[in-house]
Amino acid sequence: GENVEQHPSTLSVQEGDSAVIKCTYSDSASNYFPWYKQELGKRPQLIIDIRSNVGEKKDQRIAVTLNKTAKHFSLHITETQPEDSAVYFCAALLGGADGLTFGKGTHLIIQP
Amino acid sequence: ETGVTQSPTHLIKTRGQQVTLRCSSQSGHNTVSWYQQALGQGPQFIFQYYREEENGRGNFPPRFSGLQFPNYSSELNVNALELDDSALYLCASSFAGTSYEQYFGPGTRLTVT
Repeated sequence: GENVEQHPSTLSVQEGDSAVIKCTYSDSASNYFPWYKQELGKRPQLIIDIRSNVGEKKDQRIAVTLNKTAKHFSLHITETQPEDSAVYFCAALLGGADGLTFGKGTHLIIQP
Repeated sequence: ETGVTQSPTHLIKTRGQQVTLRCSSQSGHNTVSWYQQALGQGPQFIFQYYREEENGRGNFPPRFSGLQFPNYSSELNVNALELDDSALYLCASSFAGTSYEQYFGPGTRLTVT
């Protein structure tokens, strides 16, 4: 089955700086890579996703890049704000019926 | 457009008991996936329901079972509860065929004592 590794487990950045979270996956057949943001006590919220036929996708301050050859993808958040503080999860989908395989999460802390 | 809802919010059960959790999918969605999220971990895929049948399953024992109804809502049943079953149970709805996007409900916090 698929295996997703996520780094770092905790990331602390100054407000206004950029944050980068990286994930690697094991199965080259995976074709969909979403990122979720989960605030304490709340549901995971889909913030951006990318399919395997695309190398980069951007939505305002967040962007995701995918390197299929190296089997890794990254989340980039620019101009970080206090409300960006949360746990971020990457995930990979092997096939429509297989369910998402999640990384262990990154606790992003935005320092004022 | 209504979002994904789950009930109950919290539940406390004793080891060996059985539990049923419920999920209503987002309007327009026909597929429901269930996940278990232990404290401090990412969600783990339990199974997926599409057209009222189990469509895919993760590494969970048969005592985890489910149903999907004609209105696309779903139930997760867990028999013979164990202490390690204590977790947040999340359902996610999606529309099979045109999109892989999954939207999560607020979850049910299950505590087994």
